[in-house]
Amino acid sequence: QSVLIQPPSASGTPGQRVTISCSGSSSNIGSNYICWYQQLPGTAPKLLISRSNQRPSGVPDRFSGSKSGTSASLAISGLRSEDEADYYCAAWDDSLSGWVFGGGTKLTVL
Amino acid sequence: QVQLVQSGSELREPGASVKVSCKASGSTFTRYAINWVRQAPGQGLEWMGWINTDTGNPTYAQAFTGRFVFSLDTSVSTAYLQITSLKADDTAVYYCARGGYCSGGSCYPHWFDPWGQGTLVTVSS
Repeated sequence: QSVLIQPPSASGTPGQRVTISCSGSSSNIGSNYICWYQQLPGTAPKLLISRSNQRPSGVPDRFSGSKSGTSASLAISGLRSEDEADYYCAAWDDSLSGWVFGGGTKLTVL
Repeated sequence: QVQLVQSGSELREPGASVKVSCKASGSTFTRYAINWVRQAPGQGLEWMGWINTDTGNPTYAQAFTGRFVFSLDTSVSTAYLQITSLKADDTAVYYCARGGYCSGGSCYPHWFDPWGQGTLVTVSS
C-alpha cells in the first residue's frame, strides 16, 4: 500500500480535460510540495510538475498541478494520444525522512 | 544539462550480488544527491534512498537497509548501487535520479530530474 493514494486508472477522449488526484497526510503533502512524474510505456519517469504547480522547461502548459491541504491534483487539458502513460505523485515525508510515491495512475486516451 | 547513463541489464542467480552504475555527464556531479528508485515488474515507484555526492554519505529508506549499498566514484562522476544476497523479488528496474541539494554535509529534498534510463536486474536460477 503506497503512502500517497492515487486512483489506479483514468481515461478521457482526445481534447478532453482529465484530472488525477493524489491524497496524503500532514507529514507529506500537508507540509511539503508535491511533484508529478510521467512514465511513458517502456521508458524512465520524467519530471512533469515540480513544487506542486511549476512546469519544467519543455513541459506543455496543458499540464497543471495544484495542492490544497493534504491533497493534490494533476490536470491535463486538451488530451492527446501521446499523453497515454502512467502518472505518479511524490512528496517528501517528514515523519519517514524520505520520499514517498503514489501507486500510479494509468491514463488511457480513448 | 546533466545526463545520467546507467549500466546494462543484469541476470543473476539467487544469492549472488550485482552492482549497477549511474554515470553523470554534462554538469557538476557534486552538490546534488543521487537517488535510487526501484520499480518491480508491473508495479509503481519505490524510493530506496540517496547518497550525498559531496560527502559520500548514504541514506537508506527503511525497506532497503542491510543488502543494499550506495557508493560513489567522484573521479568518474559515477554512483553505484550494489545489492547482495539477491532474491527473486529483487527482480526490478532500478533507476538513478538526481534530486536533493547538498550543502554543509546535509542534503535537502529536491525533485528528481533527470533520471537514468533504468537498469533491469533479473534474479533467476
